Amino acid sequence: GQNIDQPTEMTATEGAIVQINCTYQTSGFNGLFWYQQHAGEAPTFLSYNVLDGLEEKGRFSSFLSRSKGYSYLLLKELQMKDSASYLCAVSYGGATNKLIFGTGTLLAVQP
Amino acid sequence: GAVVSQHPSRVICKSGTSVKIECRSLDFQATTMFWYRQFPKQSLMLMATSNEGSKATYEQGVEKDKFLINHASLTLSTLTVTSAHPEDSSFYICSARERRLAGGTQYFGPGTRLLVL
Repeated sequence: GQNIDQPTEMTATEGAIVQINCTYQTSGFNGLFWYQQHAGEAPTFLSYNVLDGLEEKGRFSSFLSRSKGYSYLLLKELQMKDSASYLCAVSYGGATNKLIFGTGTLLAVQP
Repeated sequence: GAVVSQHPSRVICKSGTSVKIECRSLDFQATTMFWYRQFPKQSLMLMATSNEGSKATYEQGVEKDKFLINHASLTLSTLTVTSAHPEDSSFYICSARERRLAGGTQYFGPGTRLLVL
């Protein structure tokens, strides 16, 4: 079956660093995505990993270990506007590239 | 980045009526579009995959006769919720995948909030 696990909620302080973990078990793997979703809005694309290792993009970095079925999203220099849900999603299904989403991690950034 | 629009953004309808939601890729061609549903405090659940010029592929448990999908062009897919009932009230989100991009990055529309009375 398909399963993606993330912590439900996290709290962090403005200016700090936070790491959001994601573990997955899927039949097939084409890549792993992280999306940010503010309440009542659609998800916005943050990062994509297909090879093992760290992908850095500004304040956001994402890591993947395919052998461990594990990824994390690292947010640095947290800002209040980073308060949102962070969705881990795995692409599978060959050429179709369907996405299965985790339940999301609701991050609250406090002053 | 790629832009996807949805219309309408919000709709309220009476039970038994049908509602059509449009999803457009504005600055790229999308051979594949996806339709998701999201209930409050839950994650996105894939309903169906819409391929241009062919029939949509529905996920298990999604009634194809209730959720009609048409992908008439490379920039437009529509979802029609037929004979809507209160339990169909949800946040419907489409996504589109740019045909040139490897890896299948999906760009999401702003969503349509449906309330069935």
